Amino acid sequence: AQSVTQLGSHVSVSEGALVLLRCNYSSSVPPYLFWYVQYPNQGLQLLLKYTSAATLVKGINGFEAEFKKSETSFHLTKPSAHMSDAAEYFCAAQKFGNEKLTFGTGTRLTIIP
Amino acid sequence: GAGVSQSPSNKVTEKGKDVELRCDPISGHTALYWYRQRLGQGLEFLIYFQGNSAPDKSGLPSDRFSAERTGESVSTLTIQRTQQEDSAVYLCASSARQGYEQYFGPGTRLTVT
Repeated sequence: AQSVTQLGSHVSVSEGALVLLRCNYSSSVPPYLFWYVQYPNQGLQLLLKYTSAATLVKGINGFEAEFKKSETSFHLTKPSAHMSDAAEYFCAAQKFGNEKLTFGTGTRLTIIP
Repeated sequence: GAGVSQSPSNKVTEKGKDVELRCDPISGHTALYWYRQRLGQGLEFLIYFQGNSAPDKSGLPSDRFSAERTGESVSTLTIQRTQQEDSAVYLCASSARQGYEQYFGPGTRLTVT
């Protein structure tokens, strides 16, 4: 069965520092991959998605992620953290032809002023 | 435009009672999904509706859980004889069609006492 692993349930970075949130998937066939952000008391918002068109995917709010098949990874990065980036981030995978998303357990990002 | 809405936002119920959770998808979206988010865990897929096709119920955890959708509009998720382990945030999402981005509602926080 497909699974998604997010390393680090909590990550803290200083304002202006690099943000790196890790995601690995397990699947014999690379799936579609997504990063979602959830702000307090709000629904999930799509940050970016990988659908095999390009391995480096740029999303909203300055985030990007790189698909690495050899490492089965899809890590999320942002060069310079902003206070407004504090939220919970979820990585998700979707198999071709299957609508349901399989989510990781989430990473809570805290920004230190 | 209006996003996915869910009601109630919070529900506290006694063990053994039945509850109904409601989801209003984005107008025109043919696909609708229910997910469950338990504390400290990722989102779990519950059920998926696509147009008039038979729903994918493969994620429903027990026969106490059921869901209906009226055409391409409102959906209700019903949990009968609630148990404490049903306590979670129930999230609804909709998408324009199969394979397109899923837009999430803010969720219903269910607490079973």
